[in-house]
Amino acid sequence: DQQVKQNSPSLSVQEGRISILNCDYTNSMFDYFLWYKKYPAEGPTFLISISSIKDKNEDGRFTVFLNKSAKHLSLHIVPSQPGDSAVYFCAASKSQAGTALIFGKGTTLSVSS
Amino acid sequence: DVKVTQSSRYLVKRTGEKVFLECVQDMDHENMFWYRQDPGLGLRLIYFSYDVKMKEKGDIPEGYSVSREKKERFSLILESASTNQTSMYLCASSLFGAYPYEQYFGPGTRLTVT
Repeated sequence: DQQVKQNSPSLSVQEGRISILNCDYTNSMFDYFLWYKKYPAEGPTFLISISSIKDKNEDGRFTVFLNKSAKHLSLHIVPSQPGDSAVYFCAASKSQAGTALIFGKGTTLSVSS
Repeated sequence: DVKVTQSSRYLVKRTGEKVFLECVQDMDHENMFWYRQDPGLGLRLIYFSYDVKMKEKGDIPEGYSVSREKKERFSLILESASTNQTSMYLCASSLFGAYPYEQYFGPGTRLTVT
């Protein structure tokens, strides 16, 4: 049973516009959420995270929003750039030392110029 | 900068062969992980380890084993490779108990079993 879901396999956006990637989770014990970005033939790289005690975290062009009541988070990229084209994975964790991350299946973002 | 290295970027093996995938990290991380990535399935956890000689099964351990004899090195072993183990294998490491539990990934090994 999937605990972290990314229901949109792909998203296409024009350069300069906003990209919104969505993620839903089912386990209310998750209290940390992370976004990773992956280019082909490379390992995923950490992008941004949020603790469940917050509802928003911002880092430059990237903002993550968390809605705990809906068990939903989203990643906003503004403005989108062609170099943002990659696969984005949402991941969740429980605050126990050593606990592995649970990843979603990923969303492929394509930003056209 | 954290560096996670994997022994091979591309590997081609025959069905039934024993395959070793090696991973080394240089940041003294306690936790190490092995995932496989397949189209439409995302990253699935095979095994992880939070200490030397310790290992825990992930979501898909069947057909795999692991070894962690030293803190910096975590090996994934395919006892008898099969074609359904053709995949991208990713190793990762992280600090024990450190928010945001960020995992650092290696570049991956693309394994093809023929």
